[in-house]
Formats: sequence, structure tokens, C-alpha cells
Amino acid sequence: EAQVTQNPRYLITVTGKKLTVTCSQNMNHEYMSWYRQDPGLGLRQIYYSMNVEVTDKGDVPEGYKVSRKEKRNFPLILESPSPNQTSLYFCASRDTGGNPEAFFGQGTRLTVV
Amino acid sequence: EDQVTQSPEALRLQEGESSSLNCSYTVSGLRGLFWYRQDPGKGPEFLFTLYSAGEEKEKERLKATLTKKESFLHITAPKPEDSATYLCAVQANTGFQKLVFGTGTRLLVSP
Repeated sequence: EAQVTQNPRYLITVTGKKLTVTCSQNMNHEYMSWYRQDPGLGLRQIYYSMNVEVTDKGDVPEGYKVSRKEKRNFPLILESPSPNQTSLYFCASRDTGGNPEAFFGQGTRLTVV
Repeated sequence: EDQVTQSPEALRLQEGESSSLNCSYTVSGLRGLFWYRQDPGKGPEFLFTLYSAGEEKEKERLKATLTKKESFLHITAPKPEDSATYLCAVQANTGFQKLVFGTGTRLLVSP
């Protein structure tokens, strides 16, 4: 089954404590991205990756890091989380060929206190 | 700047009562317009891609249409299981990497 898997699904942490949200896809997609979803603001892109070792900033990259060492994995790193990073996070992957369909993970609800 | 506006924010329908959701967009050259469905606590699920004005796509009770400035998602004779948030997104010719999303329309279909 084609899927994007995020972990954890729920996370409560304290300000300043480094955390990583993992994302893995099994469709051999080149393109992967991270979004955050906030009420009234919709989905906003944080970072994206066109392929292994190729990453770039989206619209709201401040306070986040990513890496793409393997094609299937695209972890999101918050080195010093702050309360304004409390949000619902989604990882997505997409083929760079003719099929435009983006597959999303189930989401990670992060609360920073 | 590319922008997507969806209306209404929320819509309540009776089962069988057809209606339409609107997605207005401004983009520097449209590569594609996408519709997604999102259920509470889940990730968006792909529905349709539209590429050019006049194009239409259908799936069960849903039909998406596209003009040069907006897209409509028509829901014919909805059922309670159609209740969800419907998201519209655009991709510009200048950027494969980016989908710009609207804030969605929350649809509730009552039996």
C-alpha cells in the first residue's frame, strides 16, 4: 500500500528541547515536503526536497531544519522548539514525473509548552 | 504573490441538497489546480487535478470545474460521508516545488 508514515502522531514537549519528527514514504518519490497547518492560515510549506541531498526553504522555514540522506526519509528537526511552533504538521511526497498527486502523512500534532 | 481564497468557510447541507464550493485564485501562470479532502485528524487526500480553463473532472458525487480565475467543486446529492474539509491548492508554472493552499471549506452533511 502506498503511504507516507509520520512519527510520532502526537507530541508534547517543553521549550528548547530538541525534537525530530520522522517521515518515510514507500513510493520511491523524489519530491518530499513538510507543511504546518494552523487555524485560519491553511497549509504552509516549511521545507521541501527535490531529491537526496537537495533541500530548500518553503514559506515558513524559521526554526526548522531538514535532511534528506535517503530517498525514502525526510525528517523535520526542531532544534529549540518554541510555543509558536505548536501546530499540526504534515509530510507529503510526490512523483516528479507526470503524476501530480501528492500523498500526505497522517499528521503530527505538536504542542510546545 | 500566488494566492488562493476558498468560500464559504463552512457549509451545512441536508442529505441530497446539492451545492458548490468556490476556490478563487491568483497565480503567475497556472501549472495545476488541486482539490483535496481532509477528514478530522487525517492528512489531505487527493481528489482532482485541473490544468486548463474549461476542464472538468468527476468522481462519484463530486465534480470539479476550472475557469481562468476560479474553480468550483460541485457536490450532487451529498451524503453524510461527504462531510469533510475540502482544500484547494494551486501550483504555479514557476515552481514545481510549491503548492499554495486555501484555508478550506468545512462541509457538514446532515441526514
